[in-house]
Amino acid sequence: EAQVTQNPRYLITVTGKKLTVTCSQNMNHEYMSWYRQDPGLGLRQIYYSMNVEVTDKGDVPEGYKVSRKEKRNFPLILESPSPNQTSLYFCASSFGQGEETQYFGPGTRLLVL
Amino acid sequence: AQSVTQLGSHVSVSEGALVLLRCNYSSSVPPYLFWYVQYPNQGLQLLLKYTTGATLVKGINGFEAEFKKSETSFHLTKPSAHMSDAAEYFCAVSESSSASKIIFGSGTRLSIRP
Repeated sequence: EAQVTQNPRYLITVTGKKLTVTCSQNMNHEYMSWYRQDPGLGLRQIYYSMNVEVTDKGDVPEGYKVSRKEKRNFPLILESPSPNQTSLYFCASSFGQGEETQYFGPGTRLLVL
Repeated sequence: AQSVTQLGSHVSVSEGALVLLRCNYSSSVPPYLFWYVQYPNQGLQLLLKYTTGATLVKGINGFEAEFKKSETSFHLTKPSAHMSDAAEYFCAVSESSSASKIIFGSGTRLSIRP
């Protein structure tokens, strides 16, 4: 089954404790991105990657890191989480940008205390 | 740069009534327009999209949207609401360039009254 998977689905952590949210897709997509969803703000892009070893900042990259060492994986790293990073996070993949359909993972709900 | 505005953060309709979710966009070049749906505790999935050609686009679950360039709108409609349509709906825009990223609206939560 074609899908985007994320782990964990739910995470509670404390300020400053490094964490990683994994994202994997099995559709051989070149383009992957991370979004955060906050009430009233819709989805805002954090980082994106056009291909392996190619990443770039989205609209809200502060406090986040990403890497793209393999085509299928695109982990999101919070080196020192803060309460304002409490949010619902989505990974998405597609064949490209522009008119391409994005396929979303199920989401990771993060609470930073 | 492109942008998208969804009018109404929450829309409530009766089962069987018309669903109308409004979306207006701004783009300096011909846009690509999307509607995504998010069911509770799930990720977003594509409902329909407009790229080129016919301006009336049909999607899944009986939804359709019409691209109106003169009004810079891409409103989503469904003739008869069903309880299973309760979800959050996001309008999105990107530009006709392979390098253009997608911009999402703030979302509209659709509730269906029995």
